[in-house]
Amino acid sequence: DAGVIQSPRHEVTEMGQEVTLRCKLISGHNSLFWYRQTMMRGLELLIYFNNNVPIDDSGMPEDRFSAKMPNASFSTLKIQPSEPRDSAVYFCASRLSTDTQYFGPGTRLTVL
Amino acid sequence: GENVEQHPSTLSVQEGDSAVIKCTYSDSASNYFPWYKQELGKGPQLIIDIRSNVGEKKDQRIAVTLNKTAKHFSLHITETQPEDSAVYFCAAYHSNDYKLSFGAGTTVTVRA
Repeated sequence: DAGVIQSPRHEVTEMGQEVTLRCKLISGHNSLFWYRQTMMRGLELLIYFNNNVPIDDSGMPEDRFSAKMPNASFSTLKIQPSEPRDSAVYFCASRLSTDTQYFGPGTRLTVL
Repeated sequence: GENVEQHPSTLSVQEGDSAVIKCTYSDSASNYFPWYKQELGKGPQLIIDIRSNVGEKKDQRIAVTLNKTAKHFSLHITETQPEDSAVYFCAAYHSNDYKLSFGAGTTVTVRA
């Protein structure tokens, strides 16, 4: 069975551009988490969805960040406009009910 | 909220020796404790987990112990190999919550 799939794996963009990160959950999982990882702050939870519904978005840094789950198996994280301080590795993780979280390979974002 | 502290932040061991990483947590209601291994350029991968009704769990060269009274848990890697070199994260979770609270990570280097 395939794990969590993320795309793109690497993204380099210029400040002010829109960035869209994509995530496909493990089949049958019903919870999705978006994280950001930096050396300074470690792993930060950005947003949590359960059954396609956003439950907690308190970790979303600013209104420039938005996330959607248009269906049960897919999610997007959008940054518009992007800024250099958004440079980080972004992970999504999926989970079935209350079981453990399984992480994707991440998207390394560089904003110039 | 839950606070997880992890020590040491870096650990260098000779191949074949053992490595031990320790974590403490603050919320006595936490009942699930996974350990993740993150290799360079990859997402965190679950390597072992333990629930609060168990004091120890072993999987080949990896073992985890849990002391609920003292609120600490540890990862033990025996007969270390170069491929064990990675960053290891502990985490704590309460089944009535959805968040994993992560430790800051331990960078393990196995010297050949």
